[in-house]
Amino acid sequence: DIQMTQSPASLSASLGETVTIECRASEDIYNGLAWYQQKPGKSPQLLIYNANSLHTGVPSRFSGSGSGTQYSLKINSLQSEDVASYFCQQYYDYPWTFGGGTKLELK
Amino acid sequence: EVQLVESGGGLVQPGASLKLSCVASGFTFSDYWMSWVRQTPGKTMEWIGDIKYDGSYTNYAPSLKNRFTISRDNAKSTLYLQMSNVRSEDTATYYCTRGAGSPYWFAYWGQGTLVTVSS
Repeated sequence: DIQMTQSPASLSASLGETVTIECRASEDIYNGLAWYQQKPGKSPQLLIYNANSLHTGVPSRFSGSGSGTQYSLKINSLQSEDVASYFCQQYYDYPWTFGGGTKLELK
Repeated sequence: EVQLVESGGGLVQPGASLKLSCVASGFTFSDYWMSWVRQTPGKTMEWIGDIKYDGSYTNYAPSLKNRFTISRDNAKSTLYLQMSNVRSEDTATYYCTRGAGSPYWFAYWGQGTLVTVSS
């Protein structure tokens, strides 16, 4: 299985700040990566697919980048509604696997 | 509007069997691969498996393949997860998911159904 290591596990940031979350795969996943946001008590929602493609309706302050084994999710100008947990998921090879998640809080 | 509504969760004893259902609406169910994903109380996400749009092919997480079975009834727009010989580590919220045309990423999620395995 491809292991996905996400960092940091938790993050505290101020409104308006830029936040970056990293995801490292145990092998090259050739941009087969998605990012999800999960607000407290809610189901996950897709943000990014194919490492850098924004899902319909997702605000443009979210962006994804990376290649090979290293990927990142960036949130520009942090808003209060961005308080959530974030997960990466690889779909280059079965079984699909998730990162451990990053809990984002406001400072 | 795409809707996925899971049901069938609850408290179950170790070693028992349980069948979860997911009723889909707002799209042509028979056109899409469908998947099950679970999230433990500690928030760890785990992909369980998926099923091709016509039900002819399934993929599973190797650790669950011998105990979990995914099926679908396209006439009823319903996805199923049959769980057998459940263990305490199967305690989780189980989500039904749909991709955007491929089985790779999950564009739509149900609200989840909680399964608690305990004696």
